[in-house]
Amino acid sequence: AQSVAQPEDQVNVAEGNPLTVKCTYSVSGNPYLFWYVQYPNRGLQFLLKYITGDNLVKGSYGFEAEFNKSQTSFHLKKPSALVSDSALYFCAVRRPGNQFYFGTGTSLTVIP
Amino acid sequence: DTAVSQTPKYLVTQMGNDKSIKCEQNLGHDTMYWYKQDSKKFLKIMFSYNNKELIINETVPNRFSPKSPDKAHLNLHINSLELGDSAVYFCASSPLVGDFGFTDTQYFGPGTRLTVL
Repeated sequence: AQSVAQPEDQVNVAEGNPLTVKCTYSVSGNPYLFWYVQYPNRGLQFLLKYITGDNLVKGSYGFEAEFNKSQTSFHLKKPSALVSDSALYFCAVRRPGNQFYFGTGTSLTVIP
Repeated sequence: DTAVSQTPKYLVTQMGNDKSIKCEQNLGHDTMYWYKQDSKKFLKIMFSYNNKELIINETVPNRFSPKSPDKAHLNLHINSLELGDSAVYFCASSPLVGDFGFTDTQYFGPGTRLTVL
């Protein structure tokens, strides 16, 4: 069973506009949710995580994500996109048993 | 200082050869992982080690074998390499947190690009 889904392979946004990268999850219990970013020819870098508490999580580089339990979503957002935000973004979930599963990734392109 | 390092960065080899990729982390983490990222950028977990014990082993061919000489190292050995093994392999590590030992944020190495000819 798929644990995390990123419905968009590609997201394009103009510089200065808000951006959203979508993620939905399907795990039982309380999920641990993560966002990572991968720049070309680099390893994944941690952006932010939701474990418990406030549904709005703030992370690195001005990114934030909102945990929505009723919609089982954890969308990544940023109020004003930068060209340097162009990268591949992965949503991940830690399932029971300490197993991590990554989404298929969303390629974000910020257009100058 | 590099937190998670991998060697080599690039590896080009012939079909049928045996090769190893090394990984070291200096973060004092308890768990280490190996991931395979294919040409479509899909990321698939292969193995993880916790205190020298294999705790996850997904549907990976037994030609792949992880070896952990100590908590800071998790090497990946591949026998009889095949064309389909060409990919980028990432090592990662994470701490255990809380009373129940949940794995937390993973830190990734820079990757090893394996090309099998």
